Amino acid sequence: GENVEQHPSTLSVQEGDSAVIKCTYSDSASNYFPWYKQELGKGPQLIIDIRSNVGEKKDQRIAVTLNKTAKHFSLHITETQPEDSAVYFCAAAGASGYSTLTFGKGTMLLVSP
Amino acid sequence: KAGVTQTPRYLIKTRGQQVTLSCSPISGHRSVSWYQQTPGQGLQFLFEYFSETQRNKGNFPGRFSGRQFSNSRSEMNVSTLELGDSALYLCASSLTGTPEAFFGQGTRLTVV
Repeated sequence: GENVEQHPSTLSVQEGDSAVIKCTYSDSASNYFPWYKQELGKGPQLIIDIRSNVGEKKDQRIAVTLNKTAKHFSLHITETQPEDSAVYFCAAAGASGYSTLTFGKGTMLLVSP
Repeated sequence: KAGVTQTPRYLIKTRGQQVTLSCSPISGHRSVSWYQQTPGQGLQFLFEYFSETQRNKGNFPGRFSGRQFSNSRSEMNVSTLELGDSALYLCASSLTGTPEAFFGQGTRLTVV
């Protein structure tokens, strides 16, 4: 089955800096890659996603890049703010259907003022 | 538009008991998936239901089961609870034909 590796497990940045989280996946049949943000006591919130026919996607301060050949994808957050502090999860899906998401272990992002 | 609603938010059960968790998807969403979240294993897929049929199943023992009703609401059941079943159980719903999955706040189950 699919396996998703996520790095780093924790990331501390200063407000205004950029943050990058990287994930690799194992199943070349995966074709959908969402990113979720989870705040304490809440469920994961979909923040951005990318499909395998696209190399990059941006939404304001957030961008995701995908390298199908290398089977890795990354989340980029620019001009970080304290409210960006949360746990971020990458996921992959497609081989068994879009609703069968395989998640990475998560990255705890801490943005200090 | 209301989001995914899970009830109850918190549960405490004793080993050996059984438990039923409920999930109401976003209006119009017919696909419902369940995930277990633990500090050690992270987020793991349990099963997915679409039009009252289980479409996919993760690698969990048969003690974990689910069902979906005609109004797309879903329930999951865990029988003969073990301490290791303590986790946050999350439900996500999706619109037919689209990949975006939207999660509820989860049910925190504690087995003592």
